[in-house]
Amino acid sequence: DAGVIQSPRHEVTEMGQEVTLRCKPISGHDYLFWYRQTMMRGLELLIYFNNNVPIDDSGMPEDRFSAKMPNASFSTLKIQPSEPRDSAVYFCASSETAGTTDTQYFGPGTRLTVL
Amino acid sequence: QKEVEQNSGPLSVPEGAIASLNCTYSDRVSQSFFWYRQYSGKSPELIMSIYSNGDKEDGRFTAQLNKASQYVSLLIRDSQPSDSATYLCAVTPDRGSTLGRLYFGRGTQLTVWP
Repeated sequence: DAGVIQSPRHEVTEMGQEVTLRCKPISGHDYLFWYRQTMMRGLELLIYFNNNVPIDDSGMPEDRFSAKMPNASFSTLKIQPSEPRDSAVYFCASSETAGTTDTQYFGPGTRLTVL
Repeated sequence: QKEVEQNSGPLSVPEGAIASLNCTYSDRVSQSFFWYRQYSGKSPELIMSIYSNGDKEDGRFTAQLNKASQYVSLLIRDSQPSDSATYLCAVTPDRGSTLGRLYFGRGTQLTVWP
């Protein structure tokens, strides 16, 4: 398997612009997670899905952030409008089930810079 | 509030030494514990998981869990320069509504010098 795929790998945009990050989980994985990593706050869970349904979005920082999973092989995280404090590395991860022994596999991440 | 705390580091050890990484967690009902390694500019990758009290060994890595003390550690024996990375401790809280969710510590940066 190709692993979790994320695009773009790097994104530079100006404040106020809309940003869309994309993720393709590992085939057969029922859970998909979106994380954000910064030096100040570490790795934070933003939202996760089970079978395309959002389960917990309590980590989404503001209404400017939204996430969708229209099918089992694709998810998007959108920021509209973007702000400089949104600059971070955004990771998508997937796992086969949600058993406490299951491994989450991370994608390569998208490095977002908002000017 | 579920908190995962790691020794702040950075930790620097010579090649061949034992590196000891520590993690404490606040939620007593936490069930599963994981150590992820993250190289600079890369994504986290799982290196160890532990679910019951005691030690679990995998090659040069040993994870130790003490649920009574709410403490989990990772020992790296015969440390190599290739072990230089940030090590993230992660915890799953319980088997209830937050099943599958991981809470991460801030990470400890390890440098192994030749």
